[in-house]
Amino acid sequence: ILNVEQSPQSLHVQEGDSTNFTCSFPSSNFYALHWYRWETAKSPEALFVMTLNGDEKKKGRISATLNTKEGYSYLYIKGSQPEDSATYLCASSGSARQLTFGSGTQLTVLP
Amino acid sequence: NAGVTQTPKFQVLKTGQSMTLQCAQDMNHNSMYWYRQDPGMGLRLIYYSASEGTTDKGEVPNGYNVSRLNKREFSLRLESAAPSQTSVYFCASSDWDREADTQYFGPGTRLTVL
Repeated sequence: ILNVEQSPQSLHVQEGDSTNFTCSFPSSNFYALHWYRWETAKSPEALFVMTLNGDEKKKGRISATLNTKEGYSYLYIKGSQPEDSATYLCASSGSARQLTFGSGTQLTVLP
Repeated sequence: NAGVTQTPKFQVLKTGQSMTLQCAQDMNHNSMYWYRQDPGMGLRLIYYSASEGTTDKGEVPNGYNVSRLNKREFSLRLESAAPSQTSVYFCASSDWDREADTQYFGPGTRLTVL
């Protein structure tokens, strides 16, 4: 994998459903994997950063896992709420001081 | 703390006009970045400055120049605007030694080139 890829591109869920998204990234020369939350008309806001294989991070109903050997990360949202509606971006970095962003998963939570 | 600020918030230019987008951060971060965001394309890096006094090209640098004026400020200049530069521009800053280079973003500048 040369680029950072996210799936699905968009997702609609009902309020109360749990959901998850995938981020695939180059596993060679890996340093960190970031998740950002991006609400419409706002700027991206950092959720998590993970650096070690097997890392798990949690913030409220949102959690993320990291597998650096196979180059993927999952973001989970438990009991989705309408305020969770946003685009979720992942980005990976290597030894160069740059983040490569995926194109995001757009989540819509229907009341 | 204001975080990362950008001016202007909106701008309309005619083809061939020039302008400078301003960015400032008050978090004492070493690194600063300029991105553009286009529908379906995600965030693409235009230029970055790893530290005061250095600048480097990102993925899409053509048609842009940058200046790292001091540790706080990083400006992006369009010398001769083209319609293809219609986009939303985000400035970000980070500190490599803290938070594994987590980037903090400004509110964005929405630029339209006619």
